[in-house]
Amino acid sequence: QITLKESGPTLVKPTQTLTLTCTFSGFSLSTSGVGVGWIRQPPGKALEWLALIYWDDDKRYSPSLKSRLTITKDTSKNQVVLTMTNMDPVDTATYYCAHFTAVAGPEFDYWGQGTLVTVSS
Amino acid sequence: DIQMTQSPSSLSASVGDRVTITCRASQGISNYLAWFQQKPGKAPKSLIYAASSLQSGVPSKFSGSGSGTDFTLTISSLQPEDFATYYCQQYNSYPPTFGQGTRLEIK
Repeated sequence: QITLKESGPTLVKPTQTLTLTCTFSGFSLSTSGVGVGWIRQPPGKALEWLALIYWDDDKRYSPSLKSRLTITKDTSKNQVVLTMTNMDPVDTATYYCAHFTAVAGPEFDYWGQGTLVTVSS
Repeated sequence: DIQMTQSPSSLSASVGDRVTITCRASQGISNYLAWFQQKPGKAPKSLIYAASSLQSGVPSKFSGSGSGTDFTLTISSLQPEDFATYYCQQYNSYPPTFGQGTRLEIK
């Protein structure tokens, strides 16, 4: 059974750096063909893909946010960490991590419950 | 980026109805399309992948079709638990992109 759970601060100040951790079980990030991605959703709005990391440590980022994002994995801890620098109120959103199977692109199949991050001074 | 456009943006239907939601890609994506269901305050749930393949455990009342640029999600015999927001997502090329969502409401 694959499960994922996001953790991190619920409130950050503008200009601060956000660090989110995705802790998962039921699969290994050393298994060929799998990965973990991050997707966010501002209140009342649509889903937006942010970043992902493959089993082989290949990383992809949203072009519009690439300069602010870093994704890493710790295979031994079953964790993926996303950092986003220079946070702004428009970054207020629920942040999800999701397991994917690598096809042409990521086929997201299992999602965490999400964590709401509010950016405010 | 490939733009994904869903229609309608919202839809009212009655219990027992059959509804169809459309998703159009701004360029061809073969069959690399997924559909998700999201209920208020919950994470998206994968329903369909590869345009028409049902995820394990998803009831057969959900079906998907299409290839290239035009795709549909059909839900038959609507039940109260089906009223939610539905999203399509392409994974043919980077960056993966989502539609704006279709809110399915009870009439």
